[in-house]
Amino acid sequence: NAGVTQTPKFQVLKTGQSMTLQCAQDMNHNSMYWYRQDPGMGLRLIYYSASEGTTDKGEVPNGYNVSRLNKREFSLRLESAAPSQTSVYFCASQPDRVGTEAFFGQGTRLTVV
Amino acid sequence: DQQVKQNSPSLSVQEGRISILNCDYTNSMFDYFLWYKKYPAEGPTFLISISSIKDKNEDGRFTVFLNKSAKHLSLHIVPSQPGDSAVYFCAALNNAGNMLTFGGGTRLMVKP
Repeated sequence: NAGVTQTPKFQVLKTGQSMTLQCAQDMNHNSMYWYRQDPGMGLRLIYYSASEGTTDKGEVPNGYNVSRLNKREFSLRLESAAPSQTSVYFCASQPDRVGTEAFFGQGTRLTVV
Repeated sequence: DQQVKQNSPSLSVQEGRISILNCDYTNSMFDYFLWYKKYPAEGPTFLISISSIKDKNEDGRFTVFLNKSAKHLSLHIVPSQPGDSAVYFCAALNNAGNMLTFGGGTRLMVKP
């Protein structure tokens, strides 16, 4: 069972470079999310997508863009990376039933130098 | 301002004893509360949840208590095992069911 798959697992970028983090889920979930985890801050929501073709801003969207390519895939793009975006990024998906848990990928550790 | 807070960044407990992890929230509109467990280099995994209409939910060694008037929930692990050593995140779900707000996490260390 693949669940939620993120690529890459690790990435080092120079300030100003761009990159796209990929996420795919095979559980037929409508809702998908991107979080970042920073020490002492928990996980903070960057963007989410309630269904294919829709995206909404979360708590910390600045400096990021997203694409919900199809039901399976939800990508996160950094157009011009900054050191403040050094973090661990998690993708998650969730069934539609209210109160059910979200399933997380293994994370992408991004360092911007 | 953090809407979900875990005020203890770490907790150390002896194997076999009870672990109690605490979480406070400020938004009375939260409808559902969840606990996630996270090991290093892995994504968070769901542990246990509780609806806002209940005050207790139990699953094996894990029990979550909710005190709505105090806007406080706690996770009890009895008995604690070394394999429980991980970071535990409290999370609250809004009533639309589409946004999880996480606390900062508590690192639990269970000593053999």
